[in-house]
Amino acid sequence: QKEVEQDPGPLSVPEGAIVSLNCTYSNSAFQYFMWYRQYSRKGPELLMYTYSSGNKEDGRFTAQVDKSSKYISLFIRDSQPSDSATYLCAMRKTSGSARQLTFGSGTQLTVLP
Amino acid sequence: KAGVTQTPRYLIKTRGQQVTLSCSPISGHRSVSWYQQTPGQGLQFLFEYFSETQRNKGNFPGRFSGRQFSNSRSEMNVSTLELGDSALYLCASNSGGAGSYNEQFFGPGTRLTVL
Repeated sequence: QKEVEQDPGPLSVPEGAIVSLNCTYSNSAFQYFMWYRQYSRKGPELLMYTYSSGNKEDGRFTAQVDKSSKYISLFIRDSQPSDSATYLCAMRKTSGSARQLTFGSGTQLTVLP
Repeated sequence: KAGVTQTPRYLIKTRGQQVTLSCSPISGHRSVSWYQQTPGQGLQFLFEYFSETQRNKGNFPGRFSGRQFSNSRSEMNVSTLELGDSALYLCASNSGGAGSYNEQFFGPGTRLTVL
């Protein structure tokens, strides 16, 4: 079983929809959580990161963490065709291999105009 | 600031050959991590270098190696290439300073195809 599970999709939504992307994890040592966006033939781009349980908002993006359930989410409001990409959750521990990221498999999102 | 650069962008090799990939991190960044991305396994951590020292290594065979130079540029080497080594190899740059570990910035990757 993988440490981080992410629904691979694909997910297709109409422009303006609210998108919900999710990951679950099994290792409680993960304390920091990130979301990356990866366009085709590009490297992953950091969208946001969070530590504590709760919500963190940045523009149209909201990251949500529930450590008790080992569940994280990324919400995209008013989705745009330019949001079409693969979204990757990532997480890391606080000690030892502190800079090592463990990724979910990615969810492919298409926003239709 | 210029972003992370990786060279070459595309590479085609045959089984048994070896390959060297290069990564130049963001100016001032001292940590470079390498990841392998494949459709089946996703993004997997290879190793991390900080101040010319390997700090952490993932679960890959010894055919995968790397190094970091005094200017923080890093290279990774894969010897005796196998078909399964075909992947996008990504490097991530981090300043290495306390409190910055969440801010890792990826380069565009090197697409390696092994025939």
